[in-house]
Amino acid sequence: EIVLTQSPGTLSLSPGERATLSCRASQSVSTNHLAWYQQKPGQAPRLLIYVASSRATGIPDRFSGSGSGTDFTLTISSLEPEDSAMYFCQHYGRSPWTFGPGTKVEIK
Amino acid sequence: EVQLVQSGAEVRKPGDSLKISCKASGYNFATYWIGWVRQVPGKGLEWMGIIYPGDYDTKYGPSFQGQVTISADKSITTAYLQWSSLKASDTAMYYCARPRISGSFSSFDSWGQGTLVTVSS
Repeated sequence: EIVLTQSPGTLSLSPGERATLSCRASQSVSTNHLAWYQQKPGQAPRLLIYVASSRATGIPDRFSGSGSGTDFTLTISSLEPEDSAMYFCQHYGRSPWTFGPGTKVEIK
Repeated sequence: EVQLVQSGAEVRKPGDSLKISCKASGYNFATYWIGWVRQVPGKGLEWMGIIYPGDYDTKYGPSFQGQVTISADKSITTAYLQWSSLKASDTAMYYCARPRISGSFSSFDSWGQGTLVTVSS
């Protein structure tokens, strides 16, 4: 089973600042089958990024993903107030799929 | 439009059985895997398992193998998650979700609204 670790646990930034979220895998993620999700309180998760760097439909271009192998990054280039949420990474290359523990992004 | 509509909130006692559902529409149900994700209140997401309605191939996360049963009924395009004997630790929100690509493992781009299961004596 691939274990995903996310850092930092919480990120507190001001609007307009850049957010950098990290996801590290315990072993290499095959063919970059790594996704990022955003979840706001009381809502289901929403897919942001798939195959490590492709934006899902309707996702603003301030969200970008990068990385390969065991190290992946989600970057929010200029934070908006509505970006306040939990962010989870997930691998889906082979069963069992797993999620990281999440990073909470707070907007000051 | 892809829609996943889950059954309503449930309150049960420890030891009870339960089956919750996820009604899919807007796509060919038989050709996409459909999965279940648990979220304990205030905690993260846990991948429980996934089923391919086309041939009922099912895979479970290690923590959930033997604890729950995932099934599907192609005739009514519905997936199910069931317990034979609930525990208080099963209290959580349960989401069904569909991967982005037909017939293959891919990220979940469609999610149900969630079913809250509360287990309390």
